Amino acid sequence: GAGVSQTPSNKVTEKGKYVELRCDPISGHTALYWYRQSLGQGPEFLIYFQGTGAADDSGLPNDRFFAVRPEGSVSTLKIQRTERGDSAVYLCASSLIPSGANVLTFGAGSRLTVL
Amino acid sequence: AQTVTQSQPEMSVQEAETVTLSCTYDTSENNYYLFWYKQPPSRQMILVIRQEAYKQQNATENRFSVNFQKAAKSFSLKISDSQLGDTAMYFCAFISLSGSARQLTFGSGTQLTVLP
Repeated sequence: GAGVSQTPSNKVTEKGKYVELRCDPISGHTALYWYRQSLGQGPEFLIYFQGTGAADDSGLPNDRFFAVRPEGSVSTLKIQRTERGDSAVYLCASSLIPSGANVLTFGAGSRLTVL
Repeated sequence: AQTVTQSQPEMSVQEAETVTLSCTYDTSENNYYLFWYKQPPSRQMILVIRQEAYKQQNATENRFSVNFQKAAKSFSLKISDSQLGDTAMYFCAFISLSGSARQLTFGSGTQLTVLP
């Protein structure tokens, strides 16, 4: 597509529920990144994929968070047993290759609110 | 680990005036990139400008320019002829070119308001 698409734009859920957030990167971009942005803060790295594999998942806060990219394109961030502290905007970005010199194109994010 | 500090949570400027946003960072790396991103209320992060650490010449993009002081680990953004559309949150970010890590480290942001 022309840009990075994220769905849903907004998600409200109850504590303890399971949620999935989807990211559709720019066509042909092999690298895909997830960041989490809490209110009033800068984005924090969660995980990045090179193709289908997670090349670096060091930013995932705990084992309730998991992400997949089975065909090397669309990615899904999965959060189990949601907690109020998971409330944030989840940003996805993609780049042609995972090089620091490459510019990341970001999506508009998915705002998750856990009640 | 790298850190990025933006010490100005909020700033305002009159339309057509010039404003400078500050950013400092801490790293032991020599090869890296620095970025300024803009985040309007639409939430989408938009790249404003980037600087390669090994280049001494300051990057410029139209009305946007940086003052990169590598020894001082300072990377400020200057916006000239400010426009209402420049109102947004601005984030300074760092990425190392060493090793396999490919994550951006962001500062906490500066909310810029351009006043008519």
